Amino acid sequence: QVHLVESGGGLAKPGGSLRLSCATSGFTFSDYYMTWIRQAPGKGLEWVSYISSSGNTISYADSVKGRFTISRDSAKNSLYLQMNSLRAEDTAVYFCARVGSGAGYYMDVWGKGTAVTV
Amino acid sequence: QVVLTQSPSASASLGASVNLTCTLSTGHSNFAIAWHQQQPEKGPRFLMKFNSDGSHIRGDGIPDRFSGSSSGAERYLTISSLQSEDEADYYCQSWGSGIVFGGGTKLTVL
Repeated sequence: QVHLVESGGGLAKPGGSLRLSCATSGFTFSDYYMTWIRQAPGKGLEWVSYISSSGNTISYADSVKGRFTISRDSAKNSLYLQMNSLRAEDTAVYFCARVGSGAGYYMDVWGKGTAVTV
Repeated sequence: QVVLTQSPSASASLGASVNLTCTLSTGHSNFAIAWHQQQPEKGPRFLMKFNSDGSHIRGDGIPDRFSGSSSGAERYLTISSLQSEDEADYYCQSWGSGIVFGGGTKLTVL
């Protein structure tokens, strides 16, 4: 069974840093694009970043570009999000999600999320 | 960039059917979308990917009470035989230069 488990959330000060991790299991991690999605309290879903299966293609939302860095480690079947220069508006639950194998960028498996408070 | 518009709320009675709508912005009427469900205090769950030609990919374990359809720039999620656990937020999602979400529809089951 496919599982995505986020960790690393917590309380950070404005200007501070946090590193989120997403441990995956139940599928061949190196075959899939992966994404980070966030949800501010009481708000809708907002895409943050995605990374290709090889790690060679990366994209960020304008709201985090230059501050956040997505990466992956296929040996550990894990996805990461390094968050620097944090702002109050980065406060959210951060979800790790797998991009489906069909055409297009749609998330077919989601984690339960990890909460970040700035 | 594609923009997705959803009504903020919808309601229907237990056992009835409901249609949720996602409208694609001008010039994007042929885009595929995905539907995701988020029950209270839970992470989202993938329901289906729906292409403009009507073909679709359903998420694992998603019952066929959940179905998709389209007309022009409108994409519909129909939930039939509504159950109490269907009370949730429903998001449509698409992609272009990045990944975009609609604002979500909060479904209340009466």
